[in-house]
Amino acid sequence: EVQLVESGGGLIQPGGSLRVSCAASGIIVSRNYMSWVRQAPGKGLEWVSVIYSGGSTFYADSVKGRFTISRDNSKNTLYLQMNSLRVDDTAVYYCARGDGLEYGMDVWGQGTTVTVSS
Amino acid sequence: QSALTQPPSASGSPGQSVTISCTGTSSDVGGFYYVSWYQQHPGKAPKLMIYEVTKRPSGVPDRFSGSKSGNTASLTVSGLQAEDEADYYCSSDGGSNKYVVFGGGTKLTVL
Repeated sequence: EVQLVESGGGLIQPGGSLRVSCAASGIIVSRNYMSWVRQAPGKGLEWVSVIYSGGSTFYADSVKGRFTISRDNSKNTLYLQMNSLRVDDTAVYYCARGDGLEYGMDVWGQGTTVTVSS
Repeated sequence: QSALTQPPSASGSPGQSVTISCTGTSSDVGGFYYVSWYQQHPGKAPKLMIYEVTKRPSGVPDRFSGSKSGNTASLTVSGLQAEDEADYYCSSDGGSNKYVVFGGGTKLTVL
């Protein structure tokens, strides 16, 4: 069974840093395009970042320069390092297989909640 | 404000058909064949329902269909069932520097 499990969310003060993880089973993270998508409370979906199987990365303008997507092939895990966090980064962060373009995002994790507040 | 425009709500009775629109520009929806639709029940993760405008992933009922005309994509749900009540989001290739853009979502109510 293909499964993505996010972890690492929590309460963090503005300006702080946090790393969220996405552990995969049933798929090999390094052989897939993998994305992060977030959803602020009561709001819609917002694409955050993608990492290609070849290692190329792309970011939404709202997080560029502050967030870094990466993966650990030995742990089959995807990461999102979030620095200089702002109140408006508060959201549920989902990882998903796919880049949202060809084939869409066809497997999603359950999400991890990040709350940025003083 | 979302890059793609969806109606905030839609509704229909069981057995009826409902169509949800997703309007963008020639720089996103109109310019690419990468439109996807996602279903999200409250408190749950999104689920892919349609990709590449018209294709259905394995396991998605054929009651769900997608189409596109110009800068507007559409999701049609035929033979509405109670379990179809959910939020629906469209997404598209955003073009040169936006990568993926989403619509604001449509809450589908089955009356």
